[in-house]
Amino acid sequence: NAGVTQTPKFQVLKTGQSMTLQCAQDMNHNSMYWYRQDPGMGLRLIYYSASEGTTDKGEVPNGYNVSRLNKREFSLRLESAAPSQTSVYFCASKLDRGQRNSPLHFGNGTRLTVT
Amino acid sequence: RKEVEQDPGPFNVPEGATVAFNCTYSNSASQSFFWYRQDCRKEPKLLMSVYSSGNEDGRFTAQLNRASQYISLLIRDSKLSDSATYLCVVNGLKSWGQNFVFGPGTRLSVLP
Repeated sequence: NAGVTQTPKFQVLKTGQSMTLQCAQDMNHNSMYWYRQDPGMGLRLIYYSASEGTTDKGEVPNGYNVSRLNKREFSLRLESAAPSQTSVYFCASKLDRGQRNSPLHFGNGTRLTVT
Repeated sequence: RKEVEQDPGPFNVPEGATVAFNCTYSNSASQSFFWYRQDCRKEPKLLMSVYSSGNEDGRFTAQLNRASQYISLLIRDSKLSDSATYLCVVNGLKSWGQNFVFGPGTRLSVLP
């Protein structure tokens, strides 16, 4: 049981380049999330998907797009990377289904540097 | 006031010590509370959920005080392997929907 799998683990981009971060979970979870973590800022939500076929903006969505391809996969796309998007990106998933204390499960993270 | 605040840390304690972390949250409607630990350059991992009556998992005890909007984590008999950053997580209602809000974390170093 792999849990939440993210690829790639590391990426260096030049300003203006595009890329897609991939995320897949095998826990049959309904909700999926993309966070970024920056020093001194904590984890901030970029986008989330409460169920297959729906996506919603989080706290810091500008410069990103997402696709909930199916129940398992939720990708994050940077169309034109900027140095301000240098960060560590985490994908997470959650079961929900009315369980109040359903926790988040995180992937290993992607370290992205934009030069 | 930040939505979730934690002791700024860092905490440096000797092995075997008891250490307590505090967390306050501003949204009185919050219903779900967790403690996560995050090792350096790794992903956050669930340490324990926090229930209204308080709960214990081995050396770890979590308490919730809804009236004061306060959560605590107590670690007894600290081990070197407890060194990590501890994140307080609360669900909240933001302008962009209901979701989890993470505290900034408190770093713990357990010294030999």
